[in-house]
Amino acid sequence: GENVEQHPSTLSVQEGDSAVIKCTYSDSASNYFPWYKQELGKGPQLIIDIRSNVGEKKDQRIAVTLNKTAKHFSLHITETQPEDSAVYFCAAREGYSTLTFGKGTMLLVSP
Amino acid sequence: KAGVTQTPRYLIKTRGQQVTLSCSPISGHRSVSWYQQTPGQGLQFLFEYFSETQRNKGNFPGRFSGRQFSNSRSEMNVSTLELGDSALYLCASSVPGTGGANYGYTFGSGTRLTVV
Repeated sequence: GENVEQHPSTLSVQEGDSAVIKCTYSDSASNYFPWYKQELGKGPQLIIDIRSNVGEKKDQRIAVTLNKTAKHFSLHITETQPEDSAVYFCAAREGYSTLTFGKGTMLLVSP
Repeated sequence: KAGVTQTPRYLIKTRGQQVTLSCSPISGHRSVSWYQQTPGQGLQFLFEYFSETQRNKGNFPGRFSGRQFSNSRSEMNVSTLELGDSALYLCASSVPGTGGANYGYTFGSGTRLTVV
């Protein structure tokens, strides 16, 4: 089955800096890669996703890049703000199978 | 538009008991997935239902079961509870895109189950 590795497990940045979280996946047939943000006491919230026919997708301060050859994808957050502090999860899915999640990255943005 | 609703939010049960958790998906979403979230294992897939049929199942013992009703609401049941079943149980609903694969999984806030 699919295996997703996520790095780093924790990331501390200063407000205004950029943050990058990286994931690798094992199943070359995977074609859907969402990213989720989870705040304390809440369920994961979808923040951006990308499909395998696209190399990059951007939504305001958030962007995701996908390298299918290397089987890795990354989340980029620019101009970080304290409210970006949360746990971020990447996931991958092949066809009709289910989402396989990474272990998560705790992002702390200090004012 | 109402989100995914999970009830109850919190639950405390004793070892050996059974529990039923409920999930109401976003209106129009016919696919419901269940995940178990623990600090050590992260998010682990339990099962997925689509139009009342179980489409996928994760690697959990038979004590974990689920079902989906005709209105797309779903329930999961855990029998003979063990201490290790303490976790946040999350439900997500989604819609099929072109070709039938699901996208846009939206999670509920989860049910926090504590087994004592």
